[in-house]
Amino acid sequence: SQQGEEDPQALSIQEGENATMNCSYKTSINNLQWYRQNSGRGLVHLILIRSNEREKHSGRLRVTLDTSKKSSSLLITASRAADTASYFCATEGSSNTGKLIFGQGTTLQVKP
Amino acid sequence: NAGVMQNPRHLVRRRGQEARLRCSPMKGHSHVYWYRQLPEEGLKFMVYLQKENIIDESGMPKERFSAEFPKEGPSILRIQQVVRGDSAAYFCASSPYRDNDQPQHFGDGTRLSIL
Repeated sequence: SQQGEEDPQALSIQEGENATMNCSYKTSINNLQWYRQNSGRGLVHLILIRSNEREKHSGRLRVTLDTSKKSSSLLITASRAADTASYFCATEGSSNTGKLIFGQGTTLQVKP
Repeated sequence: NAGVMQNPRHLVRRRGQEARLRCSPMKGHSHVYWYRQLPEEGLKFMVYLQKENIIDESGMPKERFSAEFPKEGPSILRIQQVVRGDSAAYFCASSPYRDNDQPQHFGDGTRLSIL
């Protein structure tokens, strides 16, 4: 079964720096989504990129998708302490059941 | 607009008891998804329901677990005869309709602890 895997598992940076997280998956997808999870909370949807798109921006977020390599990256520019959270990629396969397959996540710490 | 509401937020059960987890989707959403998250791991899909129908239960354990989404009221995830391995955070998500590229909106989860 397809599985998203993120790297790095943990990332620690200073406020103002950029943070890059990567995600790989195994099977064909309809789209790839990134979610954020603050400690003890649910997931918050950040951005969705369709399989026919290569890059997408939303505020300080930039997502790329390379379907030939089955990989995606999430870039957070000018990071803030409030960006401290876990970040997950999730893929929706072509079966159209709404089932999301999540990676293990990257834990980001932004130091003030 | 209220988001996805899950209750209880925390649930403690002894081995062998039953656990009932409730999820009220966002207003206007008729599609509900349940996921389980073990410590330090990502979420694992369990089941996808529409009103009164189970669409995909490929992630549900074969025994002790069941889910429903009745015409009226919240979706319920039921775990019978709980065991220590059932300890996890259970998240519910909803969407207004089933279409490609539709993000799911998550609740804050129920943290289930088995003594």
